[in-house]
Amino acid sequence: DVLMTQTPVSLPVSLGGQVSISCRSSQSLVHSDGNTYLHWYLQKPGQSPQLLIYRVSNRFSGVPDRFSGSGSGTDFTLKISRVEPEDLGVYYCLQSTHFPNTFGAGTKLELK
Amino acid sequence: EVQLQQSGAELGKPGTSVKLSCKVSGYNIRSTYMHWVNQRPGKGLEWIGRIDPANGNTIYAEKFKSKATLTADTSSNTAYMQLSQLKSDDTAIYFCAIQGYYGFWGQGTLVTVSS
Repeated sequence: DVLMTQTPVSLPVSLGGQVSISCRSSQSLVHSDGNTYLHWYLQKPGQSPQLLIYRVSNRFSGVPDRFSGSGSGTDFTLKISRVEPEDLGVYYCLQSTHFPNTFGAGTKLELK
Repeated sequence: EVQLQQSGAELGKPGTSVKLSCKVSGYNIRSTYMHWVNQRPGKGLEWIGRIDPANGNTIYAEKFKSKATLTADTSSNTAYMQLSQLKSDDTAIYFCAIQGYYGFWGQGTLVTVSS
């Protein structure tokens, strides 16, 4: 199985600040069709996960441009700028290039 | 508006089975994959498997191959997951999600296994 290593585990932030979350895979996430199926989600307390970024860098419908994704191969980053209160929660990366699909362990974004 | 409505909380005894449902509105499930994911108390997300409702083809994570059975009824736009031989460590919230990128999620169903 592809191991997704997400860092840091916990990320204290001040409102208005900028943060980055890293997600590294144990093997390349480039699919045979040429696409890279690495996605990012936010799970707020008591809620279902919500899609933020799909295929590395594409913002899902309604996601503000404060969220951006980048990376390639095995190394990926989610950046959040001008952090707002509604951004707090646990962020997960997911790879759906290989079966089984696998999630990172999560990064908790919390206030300093 | 796309909505996934999951069935209510279940309390199951060890050794029994439960069947969860996920009814989709605003999207034809024939046009997408349906994924199932679980989350044990205080833990992260774990992929169980997916079904292609158009043809019934399924793929499971190895550890769920004899635990979960995924089915779908395209006439009612609803997917199902049966969990068998329940054990205490099956206690979790189970989510359904559609689209290749898991763009839409159900609210989750809490399954509690207890005698």
